[in-house]
Amino acid sequence: NAGVTQTPKFQVLKTGQSMTLQCAQDMNHNSMYWYRQDPGMGLRLIYYSASEGTTDKGEVPNGYNVSRLNKREFSLRLESAAPSQTSVYFCASRGRTQGADNSPLHFGNGTRLTVT
Amino acid sequence: QQQVKQSPQSLIVQKGGIPIINCAYENTAFDYFPWYQQFPGKGPALLIAIRPDVSEKKEGRFTISFNKSAKQFSLHIMDSQPGDSATYFCAANLRSSGNTPLVFGKGTRLSVIA
Repeated sequence: NAGVTQTPKFQVLKTGQSMTLQCAQDMNHNSMYWYRQDPGMGLRLIYYSASEGTTDKGEVPNGYNVSRLNKREFSLRLESAAPSQTSVYFCASRGRTQGADNSPLHFGNGTRLTVT
Repeated sequence: QQQVKQSPQSLIVQKGGIPIINCAYENTAFDYFPWYQQFPGKGPALLIAIRPDVSEKKEGRFTISFNKSAKQFSLHIMDSQPGDSATYFCAANLRSSGNTPLVFGKGTRLSVIA
Protein backbone atom coordinates (compact mmCIF):
# COMPACT_ATOMS: atom_id res chain seq x y z
CA ASN A 1 0.00 0.00 0.00
CA ALA A 2 1.30 3.44 -0.95
CA GLY A 3 -0.94 5.30 1.52
CA VAL A 4 -1.44 8.92 0.44
CA THR A 5 0.38 9.97 -2.73
CA GLN A 6 0.82 13.60 -3.71
CA THR A 7 2.06 14.96 -7.02
CA PRO A 8 4.09 16.91 -7.85
CA LYS A 9 6.66 17.04 -5.04
CA PHE A 10 7.97 20.46 -6.06
CA GLN A 11 6.56 23.23 -8.25
CA VAL A 12 7.54 26.79 -9.12
CA LEU A 13 4.86 29.06 -10.56
CA LYS A 14 4.79 32.64 -11.70
CA THR A 15 2.16 34.98 -10.29
CA GLY A 16 -1.10 34.48 -12.13
CA GLN A 17 -0.39 30.96 -13.36
CA SER A 18 -2.71 28.11 -12.46
CA MET A 19 -2.05 24.56 -11.39
CA THR A 20 -3.67 21.53 -9.81
CA LEU A 21 -2.17 19.55 -6.96
CA GLN A 22 -3.11 15.90 -7.11
CA CYS A 23 -3.77 13.56 -4.19
CA ALA A 24 -4.75 9.90 -4.16
CA GLN A 25 -5.19 7.40 -1.32
CA ASP A 26 -5.42 3.63 -1.53
CA MET A 27 -6.80 2.95 1.97
CA ASN A 28 -10.49 3.19 1.05
CA HIS A 29 -10.87 6.20 3.34
CA ASN A 30 -14.02 8.28 3.25
CA SER A 31 -12.58 11.64 4.29
CA MET A 32 -9.83 13.66 2.65
CA TYR A 33 -8.23 16.98 3.56
CA TRP A 34 -5.92 19.66 2.18
CA TYR A 35 -3.65 21.58 4.56
CA ARG A 36 -0.98 24.18 4.04
CA GLN A 37 2.02 24.48 6.34
CA ASP A 38 3.87 27.74 6.83
CA PRO A 39 6.60 28.58 9.37
CA GLY A 40 5.10 29.56 12.71
CA MET A 41 1.56 28.98 11.45
CA GLY A 42 1.27 25.24 11.86
CA LEU A 43 -1.14 23.22 9.74
CA ARG A 44 -4.06 25.22 8.39
CA LEU A 45 -7.00 23.49 6.77
CA ILE A 46 -7.86 24.71 3.28
CA TYR A 47 -10.72 22.40 2.24
CA TYR A 48 -11.94 18.97 3.18
CA SER A 49 -14.26 16.30 1.90
CA ALA A 50 -16.02 14.30 4.60
CA SER A 51 -17.26 11.79 2.05
CA GLU A 52 -17.33 11.24 -1.69
CA GLY A 53 -19.50 13.91 -3.28
CA THR A 54 -19.12 16.53 -0.55
CA THR A 55 -16.61 19.32 0.02
CA ASP A 56 -16.41 22.01 2.69
CA LYS A 57 -14.29 25.07 3.33
CA GLY A 58 -11.68 25.05 6.03
CA GLU A 59 -9.86 27.89 7.73
CA VAL A 60 -8.09 29.38 4.66
CA PRO A 61 -10.08 28.55 1.47
CA ASN A 62 -9.65 31.82 -0.43
CA GLY A 63 -7.78 31.41 -3.72
CA TYR A 64 -8.32 27.65 -3.88
CA ASN A 65 -10.83 25.21 -5.30
CA VAL A 66 -11.12 21.47 -4.79
CA SER A 67 -12.61 18.49 -6.56
CA ARG A 68 -13.38 15.12 -5.00
CA LEU A 69 -13.03 13.19 -8.22
CA ASN A 70 -13.93 9.82 -6.68
CA LYS A 71 -13.36 8.09 -3.36
CA ARG A 72 -9.60 7.83 -3.99
CA GLU A 73 -8.76 11.25 -5.39
CA PHE A 74 -9.02 14.81 -4.06
CA SER A 75 -7.39 17.61 -6.05
CA LEU A 76 -6.57 21.20 -5.09
CA ARG A 77 -6.54 23.91 -7.73
CA LEU A 78 -4.96 27.33 -7.68
CA GLU A 79 -6.65 29.36 -10.42
CA SER A 80 -4.37 32.41 -10.27
CA ALA A 81 -1.36 31.82 -8.06
CA ALA A 82 -0.12 34.56 -5.73
CA PRO A 83 3.15 34.82 -3.76
CA SER A 84 1.11 34.44 -0.55
CA GLN A 85 0.33 30.90 -1.67
CA THR A 86 3.99 29.90 -1.42
CA SER A 87 3.79 27.05 1.05
CA VAL A 88 4.05 23.33 1.62
CA TYR A 89 0.74 21.62 0.86
CA PHE A 90 -0.28 18.38 2.53
CA CYS A 91 -3.09 16.06 1.60
CA ALA A 92 -4.47 13.71 4.26
CA SER A 93 -7.12 11.04 4.53
CA ARG A 94 -8.99 9.35 7.37
CA GLY A 95 -11.24 6.34 7.65
CA ARG A 96 -14.40 5.99 9.70
CA THR A 97 -14.12 6.28 13.48
CA GLN A 98 -14.34 2.81 14.97
CA GLY A 99 -14.25 1.85 18.61
CA ALA A 100 -12.93 4.22 21.24
CA ASP A 101 -10.49 6.29 19.22
CA ASN A 102 -10.75 8.43 16.14
CA SER A 103 -9.26 6.92 13.06
CA PRO A 104 -5.88 8.67 12.57
CA LEU A 105 -5.10 11.11 9.80
CA HIS A 106 -2.72 9.73 7.18
CA PHE A 107 -0.66 12.42 5.47
CA GLY A 108 1.16 12.46 2.17
CA ASN A 109 4.70 13.81 1.98
CA GLY A 110 3.68 17.20 0.68
CA THR A 111 4.06 19.46 -2.34
CA ARG A 112 6.48 22.35 -1.94
CA LEU A 113 5.10 25.25 -4.00
CA THR A 114 6.91 28.51 -4.71
CA VAL A 115 5.11 31.40 -6.42
CA THR A 116 7.38 34.13 -7.76
CA GLN B 1 -9.85 32.22 16.93
CA GLN B 2 -7.24 29.63 17.72
CA GLN B 3 -8.87 26.78 19.57
CA VAL B 4 -5.68 24.90 20.49
CA LYS B 5 -2.71 26.88 21.78
CA GLN B 6 0.67 25.12 21.78
CA SER B 7 3.92 26.11 23.46
CA PRO B 8 6.81 26.51 23.18
CA GLN B 9 7.33 27.22 19.49
CA SER B 10 10.80 25.67 19.64
CA LEU B 11 12.75 23.65 22.16
CA ILE B 12 16.35 22.48 22.44
CA VAL B 13 17.31 19.76 24.92
CA GLN B 14 20.33 17.62 25.60
CA LYS B 15 20.23 13.92 24.84
CA GLY B 16 18.62 12.13 27.77
CA GLY B 17 16.61 15.17 28.82
CA ILE B 18 12.80 15.28 29.10
CA PRO B 19 11.29 17.84 26.74
CA ILE B 20 7.75 18.90 27.62
CA ILE B 21 5.34 20.43 25.11
CA ASN B 22 2.13 21.99 26.35
CA CYS B 23 -1.26 22.55 24.75
CA ALA B 24 -4.39 24.29 25.95
CA TYR B 25 -7.81 24.03 24.37
CA GLU B 26 -10.95 26.13 24.59
CA ASN B 27 -13.81 23.94 23.46
CA THR B 28 -14.94 21.81 26.40
CA ALA B 29 -16.74 19.50 23.98
CA PHE B 30 -13.43 18.19 22.60
CA ASP B 31 -12.94 14.58 23.61
CA TYR B 32 -9.99 13.31 21.61
CA PHE B 33 -6.46 14.69 21.82
CA PRO B 34 -3.80 13.29 19.48
CA TRP B 35 -0.17 14.25 18.99
CA TYR B 36 1.46 14.13 15.56
CA GLN B 37 5.18 13.91 14.82
CA GLN B 38 6.71 15.34 11.64
CA PHE B 39 10.23 14.74 10.35
CA PRO B 40 11.78 17.12 7.77
CA GLY B 41 10.48 16.49 4.28
CA LYS B 42 7.71 14.18 5.48
CA GLY B 43 4.07 14.52 6.37
CA PRO B 44 2.97 14.37 10.02
CA ALA B 45 2.17 10.96 11.49
CA LEU B 46 0.13 10.01 14.56
CA LEU B 47 2.36 9.51 17.59
CA ILE B 48 0.00 9.01 20.54
CA ALA B 49 -3.53 10.05 21.52
CA ILE B 50 -5.59 10.36 24.71
CA ARG B 51 -9.24 10.65 25.69
CA PRO B 52 -10.36 12.81 28.64
CA ASP B 53 -11.46 9.84 30.75
CA VAL B 54 -7.79 9.14 31.61
CA SER B 55 -5.17 11.47 33.07
CA GLU B 56 -2.10 9.85 31.54
CA LYS B 57 -1.15 7.58 28.68
CA LYS B 58 2.26 6.08 27.94
CA GLU B 59 3.58 4.54 24.76
CA GLY B 60 7.25 3.71 25.00
CA ARG B 61 9.16 6.88 25.87
CA PHE B 62 6.22 9.15 25.03
CA THR B 63 3.67 10.17 27.68
CA ILE B 64 0.59 12.37 27.43
CA SER B 65 -0.63 14.03 30.61
CA PHE B 66 -4.17 15.39 30.59
CA ASN B 67 -5.77 17.92 32.97
CA LYS B 68 -9.45 18.20 32.16
CA SER B 69 -10.24 20.94 34.70
CA ALA B 70 -7.46 23.16 33.36
CA LYS B 71 -8.24 22.22 29.73
CA GLN B 72 -4.58 21.41 29.16
CA PHE B 73 -2.58 18.45 27.94
CA SER B 74 1.12 17.90 27.47
CA LEU B 75 3.60 15.59 25.78
CA HIS B 76 6.66 14.35 27.66
CA ILE B 77 9.50 12.51 25.94
CA MET B 78 11.55 10.42 28.35
CA ASP B 79 15.27 9.84 27.70
CA SER B 80 15.11 11.96 24.54
CA GLN B 81 17.34 10.97 21.62
CA PRO B 82 18.65 12.90 18.59
CA GLY B 83 16.26 10.80 16.49
CA ASP B 84 13.35 12.47 18.32
CA SER B 85 14.28 15.78 16.68
CA ALA B 86 11.12 16.70 14.78
CA THR B 87 8.15 19.03 14.80
CA TYR B 88 5.34 18.00 17.13
CA PHE B 89 1.71 19.05 16.74
CA CYS B 90 -1.03 18.67 19.29
CA ALA B 91 -4.62 18.50 18.09
CA ALA B 92 -8.16 18.16 19.34
CA ASN B 93 -11.41 16.82 17.96
CA LEU B 94 -14.90 15.69 18.75
CA ARG B 95 -14.64 11.90 18.60
CA SER B 96 -18.38 11.53 18.25
CA SER B 97 -18.51 13.91 15.30
CA GLY B 98 -17.23 11.35 12.82
CA ASN B 99 -14.68 12.76 10.44
CA THR B 100 -14.89 16.50 11.05
CA PRO B 101 -11.43 18.03 10.88
CA LEU B 102 -8.92 18.01 13.70
CA VAL B 103 -7.96 21.39 15.15
CA PHE B 104 -4.17 21.62 15.27
CA GLY B 105 -1.80 23.64 17.43
CA LYS B 106 0.90 25.63 15.66
CA GLY B 107 3.63 23.10 16.33
CA THR B 108 6.83 22.81 18.35
CA ARG B 109 10.18 22.26 16.69
CA LEU B 110 12.23 20.01 18.96
CA SER B 111 15.99 19.61 18.63
CA VAL B 112 17.74 16.99 20.73
CA ILE B 113 21.48 17.54 20.75
CA ALA B 114 24.04 14.88 21.63
